[in-house]
Amino acid sequence: GAVVSQHPSWVICKSGTSVKIECRSLDFQATTMFWYRQFPKQSLMLMATSNEGSKATYEQGVEKDKFLINHASLTLSTLTVTSAHPEDSSFYICSLGGRTNTGELFFGEGSRLTVL
Amino acid sequence: QKEVEQNSGPLSVPEGAIASLNCTYSDRGSQSFFWYRQYSGKSPELIMSIYSNGDKEDGRFTAQLNKASQYVSLLIRDSQPSDSATYLCAVDGGYNKLIFGAGTRLAVHP
Repeated sequence: GAVVSQHPSWVICKSGTSVKIECRSLDFQATTMFWYRQFPKQSLMLMATSNEGSKATYEQGVEKDKFLINHASLTLSTLTVTSAHPEDSSFYICSLGGRTNTGELFFGEGSRLTVL
Repeated sequence: QKEVEQNSGPLSVPEGAIASLNCTYSDRGSQSFFWYRQYSGKSPELIMSIYSNGDKEDGRFTAQLNKASQYVSLLIRDSQPSDSATYLCAVDGGYNKLIFGAGTRLAVHP
């Protein structure tokens, strides 16, 4: 069964609005989660590391004031895209911060954001 | 800046053939390497992980690692149309962060 649940799976919004994406760990207490972004035909790019009870760590070039991350509990991290613009349209994927002994990361199903 | 390079493809192979996917990485200190398969609009799923030089086989898949050359490859034997997907090479960037290549699109035609 699913280990990580991501919601919504797709969302369409108007330019200038804010969109919240949730990432829930169903079976594990996740002190760390990762948020990735994938533009069409491009690779997954790590945006930020979400840390439970503390501030997220953002990768170089990612605007922390635009992509707000909240990790208030061990099972939930949220990513809010503030004042979204068409260039923010992308596939956003979260993953848990731990790996199995085979190296598998638990990814969410992904959220497709389209900003009109 | 750690980088992972892949040929974007598409790589087209006939059904039953061997598909060979290649990847190079920039950080000589990298220790863990992964191949993920991603279908369009879906999250990646792990195909293989490899940590030591040499070959690792799992069913129709064989991963090959050459740390001296900073090179990882994935061979898919007896390719099937259902193998058609984008294959992402990933390298552990530390602290469970993965650095992904851009992916190689594989098309297996009947």
